[in-house]
Amino acid sequence: DAKTTQPPSMDCAEGRAANLPCNHSTISGNEYVYWYRQIHSQGPQYIIHGLKNNETNEMASLIITEDRKSSTLILPHATLRDTAVYYCIVRVVTDTGNQFYFGTGTSLTVIP
Amino acid sequence: ETGVTQTPRHLVMGMTNKKSLKCEQHLGHNAMYWYKQSAKKPLELMFVYNFKEQTENNSVPSRFSPECPNSSHLFLHLHTLQPEDSALYLCASSQVRGGTNEKLFFGSGTQLSVL
Repeated sequence: DAKTTQPPSMDCAEGRAANLPCNHSTISGNEYVYWYRQIHSQGPQYIIHGLKNNETNEMASLIITEDRKSSTLILPHATLRDTAVYYCIVRVVTDTGNQFYFGTGTSLTVIP
Repeated sequence: ETGVTQTPRHLVMGMTNKKSLKCEQHLGHNAMYWYKQSAKKPLELMFVYNFKEQTENNSVPSRFSPECPNSSHLFLHLHTLQPEDSALYLCASSQVRGGTNEKLFFGSGTQLSVL
């Protein structure tokens, strides 16, 4: 079962910030939020993850609401190469290890 | 290059054929995964192996048979598939350590078409 919901598609102007929302209202206290992206014909690529604090790395920033029911991935200066499907994922801890549950993703198109 | 290699990249097979998908990871990870990606659907987790032991089988039909001979190699054996099994099959690996920074590393996938 997908534990996240995302808008199916978004557009963003090149050079502008892309803000991709995700709802994960049933997330539990020990479950992390991950973001991956998938460019056509390739496997998904890791972007960033977090538990409850905001996170930033060289690719993006992750803003998680205080109640942890939603988050936003921010690409600060979108380029044409950022056109991809972006997946918001909840990592669930089980007795046998961690499970990563993908949603349907948001198809981001960066427009010149 | 993610360190996870899948072969073949493309595969066309008839419903009576038997074929195998191969995945190899060069990252020293101890867990490997098979995911199925059909058009317009989320990635579906099929199988998980931790330390070569299968720990997850998400109600996958028996016409899909996984094999994990060691922690670096994972196979998916296919037989008597149906056209609806046509999809992108993705392999992933991770280092399970119980910490906070476990990440999945994916291969490029095998695009399977069943005729």
